[in-house]
Amino acid sequence: DQQVKQNSPSLSVQEGRISILNCDYTNSMFDYFLWYKKYPAEGPTFLISISSIKDKNEDGRFTVFLNKSAKHLSLHIVPSQPGDSAVYFCAASPGFGNEKLTFGTGTRLTIIP
Amino acid sequence: GAVVSQHPSRVICKSGTSVKIECRSLDFQATTMFWYRQFPKQSLMLMATSNEGSKATYEQGVEKDKFLINHASLTLSTLTVTSAHPEDSSFYICSARDGRKSYGYTFGSGTRLTVV
Repeated sequence: DQQVKQNSPSLSVQEGRISILNCDYTNSMFDYFLWYKKYPAEGPTFLISISSIKDKNEDGRFTVFLNKSAKHLSLHIVPSQPGDSAVYFCAASPGFGNEKLTFGTGTRLTIIP
Repeated sequence: GAVVSQHPSRVICKSGTSVKIECRSLDFQATTMFWYRQFPKQSLMLMATSNEGSKATYEQGVEKDKFLINHASLTLSTLTVTSAHPEDSSFYICSARDGRKSYGYTFGSGTRLTVV
């Protein structure tokens, strides 16, 4: 039972354009959401997070949007840069500070120069 | 920033042998560390939560006797895969939470285990 889903296994975007990565979840107990970036043979690196009391959080080129009613979140990267090419995982937890993270299956983002 | 060192990065072992993976928080104390496993093209799956000075908490379906976790100090947790079999071949990653930060788990660089 995949509680956090990333339905697009891969995405290609032209450099300078916007990259939009999507994530859906089914467990209504999830209250805190995170995005991680991962290069091959490395551990994930934290990018940005959002609490369910918000619908948007922005940090530089990265913005995460949360639609609680639809149980959907998205990560926007603008402008996209070649260094953004990686696998992106969304993750969810029952609350801020709750230790258990449930990860999605990941989306491989390729930025085309 | 918070750094988590994981060692070894890659290991090949024979079927039936045991392998130990170390996870160290280098510049902070981690009372809790987490062990994940990732199969190719799949998600990171939480295996167990490692608590300093006490027994680890395992997720459903994870064999406690096969995946031994020891968290003897505030900066070190180890995962031992005992009597490894080819199906244990996977990418194992640890993470730890830096209590000085409002949020954010720092992950190790992972260990690629291949059992032949």
